[in-house]
Amino acid sequence: TQLLEQSPQFLSIQEGENLTVYCNSSSVFSSLQWYRQEPGEGPVLLVTVVTGGEVKKLKRLTFQFGDARKDSSLHITAAQPGDTGLYLCAGEGGGSNYKLTFGKGTLLTVNP
Amino acid sequence: NAGVMQNPRHLVRRRGQEARLRCSPMKGHSHVYWYRQLPEEGLKFMVYLQKENIIDESGMPKERFSAEFPKEGPSILRIQQVVRGDSAAYFCASSPRGQSFTDTQYFGPGTRLTVL
Repeated sequence: TQLLEQSPQFLSIQEGENLTVYCNSSSVFSSLQWYRQEPGEGPVLLVTVVTGGEVKKLKRLTFQFGDARKDSSLHITAAQPGDTGLYLCAGEGGGSNYKLTFGKGTLLTVNP
Repeated sequence: NAGVMQNPRHLVRRRGQEARLRCSPMKGHSHVYWYRQLPEEGLKFMVYLQKENIIDESGMPKERFSAEFPKEGPSILRIQQVVRGDSAAYFCASSPRGQSFTDTQYFGPGTRLTVL
């Protein structure tokens, strides 16, 4: 069974600070996706990383896929209150290229 | 282009009743996936369907749960004789192609099921 561990589980910071959240596994994934979920809504895809070592940037968000494709990180620069939400990582692999395995998420609160 | 639609958004059932959750995929998408999010847990895959076919139901409980995606109309997730442990958020996702790690799954807003 593939598992994705996300850390930290909760993160509360002040506006303007930088932060990094992590997504780790002992399994290899063919791709890894990051989602943001707001209360009462479904996950919204932020990015998909496919190649080991890949780095993708989305404005103030930087996503990295580990060289061995077992882990990933999300770094946010100069966080804003609008970044508040639940950040989920999801991996695709294990013989299936449609069955997403999700972590439990990091709940980020950015205080003004 | 409308996104994935799910209804109802909130559903309350008493133990022993049936719950029917509906999902209309994005226009042009013929692949549907159901996930369940229990409190304090991550989303867990339940079932993958194409039109009129169940492709993978390995995440579905063996009893009381069933899913369909008919030729016409929405995909339905049906839970018979609900129990309190079925209380969760149920999300549907759709994709245009399926079977490819480059095929993005787009999620609906979910149905929050509460069993009294």
